[in-house]
Amino acid sequence: GESVGLHLPTLSVQEGDNSIINCAYSNSASDYFIWYKQESGKGPQFIIDIRSNMDKRQGQRVTVLLNKTVKHLSLQIAATQPGDSAVYFCAENAYGGSQGNLIFGKGTKLSVKP
Amino acid sequence: NAGVMQNPRHLVRRRGQEARLRCSPMKGHSHVYWYRQLPEEGLKFMVYLQKENIIDESGMPKERFSAEFPKEGPSILRIQQVVRGDSAAYFCASSPGSGRTYNEQFFGPGTRLTVL
Repeated sequence: GESVGLHLPTLSVQEGDNSIINCAYSNSASDYFIWYKQESGKGPQFIIDIRSNMDKRQGQRVTVLLNKTVKHLSLQIAATQPGDSAVYFCAENAYGGSQGNLIFGKGTKLSVKP
Repeated sequence: NAGVMQNPRHLVRRRGQEARLRCSPMKGHSHVYWYRQLPEEGLKFMVYLQKENIIDESGMPKERFSAEFPKEGPSILRIQQVVRGDSAAYFCASSPGSGRTYNEQFFGPGTRLTVL
């Protein structure tokens, strides 16, 4: 079946460096993508989203890039901090988010070394 | 403005018992979603509800699982005759359903169900 997956299950970076977390999706009908951060024992926290009519969107210290040609999504975190340590999930929706069926990837664990 | 609330946070049941998980959406939110998460896995969609209506239950197991979101009160995810494979974290999310962020889903802290 169609699914969202991640290239790297774990990522370790030095504090202050930039982090890049990648995600591949296979559903060509997906038109809405979201990145979530999940800390241990907590629910996912919305970070940033992007629609398929865009290829880049920036937030505070985060940037999401969407390449529809190769069905690839990435999350860039600038000046990574210890508080960024968490599991990051990408999620997709095939209805612009208007319906609830978000499909989550397996997650990438980000560890920030001080 | 309180976020999405779920209770209990931890629930232990023996095989064959019933589990009832509650979710109170954020104030003003009329859409509720339930997801299940196994250890080291991503979240899997179960059901999407609006007040008094099930919109999409394509991720719900056909037997033993049911969900409701009544006009008054929290949304309830009910699992009858639990089995060990039901052990997981169950997350509820809510969204406004209208406005600029109509589809942005805010998640609760989850209920961790353990079946002995």
